[in-house]
Amino acid sequence: DAKTTQPNSMESNEEEPVHLPCNHSTISGTDYIHWYRQLPSQGPEYVIHGLTSNVNNRMASLAIAEDRKSSTLILHRATLRDAAVYYCILRSGTSYGKLTFGQGTILTVHP
Amino acid sequence: DTAVSQTPKYLVTQMGNDKSIKCEQNLGHDTMYWYKQDSKKFLKIMFSYNNKELIINETVPNRFSPKSPDKAHLNLHINSLELGDSAVYFCASSPESRGPNEKLFFGSGTQLSVL
Repeated sequence: DAKTTQPNSMESNEEEPVHLPCNHSTISGTDYIHWYRQLPSQGPEYVIHGLTSNVNNRMASLAIAEDRKSSTLILHRATLRDAAVYYCILRSGTSYGKLTFGQGTILTVHP
Repeated sequence: DTAVSQTPKYLVTQMGNDKSIKCEQNLGHDTMYWYKQDSKKFLKIMFSYNNKELIINETVPNRFSPKSPDKAHLNLHINSLELGDSAVYFCASSPESRGPNEKLFFGSGTQLSVL
């Protein structure tokens, strides 16, 4: 699977938007961009995914660059419950559930 | 109801012992996985089963043996436990085994400590 690069950590204040970046310059044309997060003492949790177009769901939005070499996970109003490690992962059609987790971004949310 | 449940949540044992971790999913998914998260927090896949058949085995020592009695259960048995086996083990499931839209659902983990 192609590699992703994320900042080690980010901080935000409660109720402010958070933009979590991810670089994936070696992405292939069939790779989907997935985001998972891991809350403290929990298993990873699916957040959102997309291929080319921006995506929205109840948890977050995903903005994908036109050249697909980078993407940004957007939390519109951070809450204390959003404090977690966020993982950006590329998925191809042949990876048989083999999610390759990097180190992720530790998001701290301040009250 | 918990979608993917693992037992036990904590497991403390001596080196050399044999132990098992159980996993059950009530989502009706066809595929189940075991992931290991080490002390540096890196998550890595160990095994994947699709409809009770092994489809991924990631260079895991053969002391680790997964068993899938049916597609709702995937247990992990570990023989001759070593200090390096201490980690958090996560079970996961997904509706299908491949495809870029596949979403995984994880359990809350089993913290294994080998003394």
